[in-house]
Amino acid sequence: AQSVTQPDIHITVSEGASLELRCNYSYGATPYLFWYVQSPGQGLQLLLKYFSGDTLVQGIKGFEAEFKRSQSSFNLRKPSVHWSDAAEYFCAVGTTSGTYKYIFGTGTRLKVLA
Amino acid sequence: GAGVSQSPSNKVTEKGKDVELRCDPISGHTALYWYRQSLGQGLEFLIYFQGNSAPDKSGLPSDRFSAERTGGSVSTLTIQRTQQEDSAVYLCASSSSGTGEAGANVLTFGAGSRLTVL
Repeated sequence: AQSVTQPDIHITVSEGASLELRCNYSYGATPYLFWYVQSPGQGLQLLLKYFSGDTLVQGIKGFEAEFKRSQSSFNLRKPSVHWSDAAEYFCAVGTTSGTYKYIFGTGTRLKVLA
Repeated sequence: GAGVSQSPSNKVTEKGKDVELRCDPISGHTALYWYRQSLGQGLEFLIYFQGNSAPDKSGLPSDRFSAERTGGSVSTLTIQRTQQEDSAVYLCASSSSGTGEAGANVLTFGAGSRLTVL
C-alpha cells in the first residue's frame, strides 16, 4: 500500500532564509505527487504537482519541488521564505491506476521568524 | 460551481446525535473524496466516489459513518450517534479524471466543515 512520510512536524526559519520540506513516499510505480498548503482556518491549496516529465517542478508562490525516484522523495523548496508562508504543508501521493486514491502525509507546520 | 462548497462550515452537536455534512463539488468533476482532519493530524481518507462506480468506503472508521452521492453531484456524509472523538474538520475534495485533461487528477478542496461533539 502506498504511504507518505513527512519527517518534520515543525520547522522554524527566519524570513529570507531558504526552506526545504521533506517528503518520502512508498508506492510500487511512479505516483502522482503533490504539495498542498493550508493556511490557518483555510482549506488546502495546491502548490504544485508532478505527473511525469521534468523532475523539477515549479509551483505557485515561488515554490519548487524535485522528484527523485532513487530516493522516493519529493522535497519542497523555496529560496527565500516570506512571513506569509507560515502555514501547514502537506505532501500527497496519488495512485496512477485503479481507484485514484490520494494519501496525505501528516503535514509540516512552518513558522517564520521576522 | 466555481469551487467546492461545503456546509455547514461549523456544527456543534451533542454526543449521540446524528449529523449530516454536505459537499457540492465542482460542476463536471466525476470524482469526490471525503477526508477527516483531526487536531494536529494529517488528512485521513474516508470515502471516494467515482462516477457511477461503487464507492470506495475503505476509510470509514466505523459503521456509524456513511456517505452517499446523488446524481453524481452533491454528496452527504452522515455520522450517526456522534461521539466526542468524531470532532474534527471534515474536508471534501473533487477532481476530474482521465488522461490528457488539464487539471485532471488534481484534488480541489472545500473549506471544510468543523464538527464539534460536546
